[in-house]
Amino acid sequence: KNEVEQSPQNLTAQEGEFITINCSYSVGISALHWLQQHPGGGIVSLFMLSSGKKKHGRLIATINIQEKHSSLHITASHPRDSAVYICAVTLQSMYSGGGADGLTFGKGTHLIIQP
Amino acid sequence: SQTIHQWPATLVQPVGSPLSLECTVEGTSNPNLYWYRQAAGRGLQLLFYSVGIGQISSEVPQNLSASRPQDRQFILSSKKLLLSDSGFYLCASLTGTYNEQFFGPGTRLTVL
Repeated sequence: KNEVEQSPQNLTAQEGEFITINCSYSVGISALHWLQQHPGGGIVSLFMLSSGKKKHGRLIATINIQEKHSSLHITASHPRDSAVYICAVTLQSMYSGGGADGLTFGKGTHLIIQP
Repeated sequence: SQTIHQWPATLVQPVGSPLSLECTVEGTSNPNLYWYRQAAGRGLQLLFYSVGIGQISSEVPQNLSASRPQDRQFILSSKKLLLSDSGFYLCASLTGTYNEQFFGPGTRLTVL
């Protein structure tokens, strides 16, 4: 059974700080997703990774397939970045139990950026 | 680009009442569709997925059922709600070469 573990669970930082959120998983995956959930509940997909690194604006996501680990970084953090950041994986078919590429989620990291 | 519509956005229902949540998808055809639930204090969990019309698979045993009467319509139902059915329900789709996932805005269900 795959577990997706995120750390930290909660993070409070000052505006401008560099933020890192970590995600580790235990079995083979075909892709890893970073998602953002705002207080109203809606979820936005930030990145989908299968290798290497992606950058979008102030957000950077990296993945190390060998170590089964990914990080999400936020540079020059801003109060509007406050949200829950969720790591989710698409399991390789041998592990998916027939879940047709459904995601397995971490519990999320609650990020608060104070002005 | 895809858009996923869900309604209602919030719902308060008494225990024992029926439920019907609807999800429709625009901007794609023949997507894989998913229902996820996020219970209070817990992560999102896959409930059902569908790879086509009339094809439903359940990931966890529960009080709910799902149907896909049309290619871009996915419905989550219950005949009698339980307190434990409270949570945030999210519809999602997966399509295309890049296996990109799109999410609906969600429905927050409170069973009293």
